[in-house]
Amino acid sequence: TQLLEQSPQFLSIQEGENLTVYCNSSSVFSSLQWYRQEPGEGPVLLVTVVTGGEVKKLKRLTFQFGDARKDSSLHITAAQPGDTGLYLCAGAKRAGSARQLTFGSGTQLTVLP
Amino acid sequence: NAGVTQTPKFQVLKTGQSMTLQCAQDMNHEYMSWYRQDPGMGLRLIHYSVGAGITDQGEVPNGYNVSRSTTEDFPLRLLSAAPSQTSVYFCASRVQGFNEKLFFGSGTQLSVL
Repeated sequence: TQLLEQSPQFLSIQEGENLTVYCNSSSVFSSLQWYRQEPGEGPVLLVTVVTGGEVKKLKRLTFQFGDARKDSSLHITAAQPGDTGLYLCAGAKRAGSARQLTFGSGTQLTVLP
Repeated sequence: NAGVTQTPKFQVLKTGQSMTLQCAQDMNHEYMSWYRQDPGMGLRLIHYSVGAGITDQGEVPNGYNVSRSTTEDFPLRLLSAAPSQTSVYFCASRVQGFNEKLFFGSGTQLSVL
């Protein structure tokens, strides 16, 4: 069962365009993280959002956590080829002996020069 | 400044063979985990550990064993490989804490024929 749905699955845009990636769930998460993964490498954390309605900015990237803590979005302004990669959202919940992350299936972004 | 180190990078097995994927971290992290990544499925948690001598099952533990004899090492064992275990495997670690960052290794690409 995929608890976190990401859309779109694939996105190909021209350099300079804006885009938004969505991460949706029917479950409430205590926090949500966004990672970026490049080919042949492991994911690297971009941001953690904790509070419902929270907005965080990382240069041209804007992350928002939904008011009900069930969804999140990532907006990129003026995309650049260096933004190309697989973007993964991950929701945190307490399970077993530790907090666990449930990952979405990812959005593969390609920014063309 | 090694972080999380995984070996091997690539491995091909025949059905029924056994092998161990190695994972070591030099950051003194209490928490370590193994994920598998399959196309369209995101990252799924196999096993995790919150400290030496303590392991627990994740979302997809069947067919895999783990042990944690030291803080640094967390090997993943496949006792009798099956084609369904063809995947990319990632080891990750973090400090104990509610919203701490996961540090990933660079992955092991495993093919089971």
